[in-house]
Amino acid sequence: DQQVKQNSPSLSVQEGRISILNCDYTNSMFDYFLWYKKYPAEGPTFLISISSIKDKNEDGRFTVFLNKSAKHLSLHIVPSQPGDSAVYFCAASVGGGADGLTFGKGTHLIIQP
Amino acid sequence: DGGITQSPKYLFRKEGQNVTLSCEQNLNHDAMYWYRQDPGQGLRLIYYSQIVNDFQKGDIAEGYSVSREKKESFPLTVTSAQKNPTAFYLCASSTLDGRSYEQYFGPGTRLTVT
Repeated sequence: DQQVKQNSPSLSVQEGRISILNCDYTNSMFDYFLWYKKYPAEGPTFLISISSIKDKNEDGRFTVFLNKSAKHLSLHIVPSQPGDSAVYFCAASVGGGADGLTFGKGTHLIIQP
Repeated sequence: DGGITQSPKYLFRKEGQNVTLSCEQNLNHDAMYWYRQDPGQGLRLIYYSQIVNDFQKGDIAEGYSVSREKKESFPLTVTSAQKNPTAFYLCASSTLDGRSYEQYFGPGTRLTVT
């Protein structure tokens, strides 16, 4: 049973526009959420995180929104740039992440010129 | 340069052979983790360790073994008991200071078993 779901395998966005990547989770014990960016044959790169006590966290072009009642989070990238083309993974954890992360299957973001 | 190194980048083995994947970090992180990624899938946790000489099984530990003799090193052995060993293996580490712990990943090792 998948506890973290990214239902869009791919997303195509025009350069300069907003990219919105979505993630749903089922485990109500999750209290810490992260987004990672990954290029093929490389390790994931940490982008941004959010604790369950917050509903928004912003870092430059990246903003993560958390809706606990809906068990949903989203990553907004604005403006989208060609270098943003990659696979984005949503991850979640209980207790801050010390015992490991549970990942979604990823969304392949393609930024078109 | 601080970071996580994994070697080798590509590894080929014959079925029935054990193989050990290396992971070293110089970030002075307490915790280290092993994940595997299969095509079209997310990362799945194999083993993790929060302190030297101690480690815990993750979601898919069967057919794998680990050791943590030094803080900097967390090698993973893929044994012949692992039914589908061909995958991309990722090592990560994190500090355990504070209340939340971002994990930082190495470049990965692609293991192919034929």
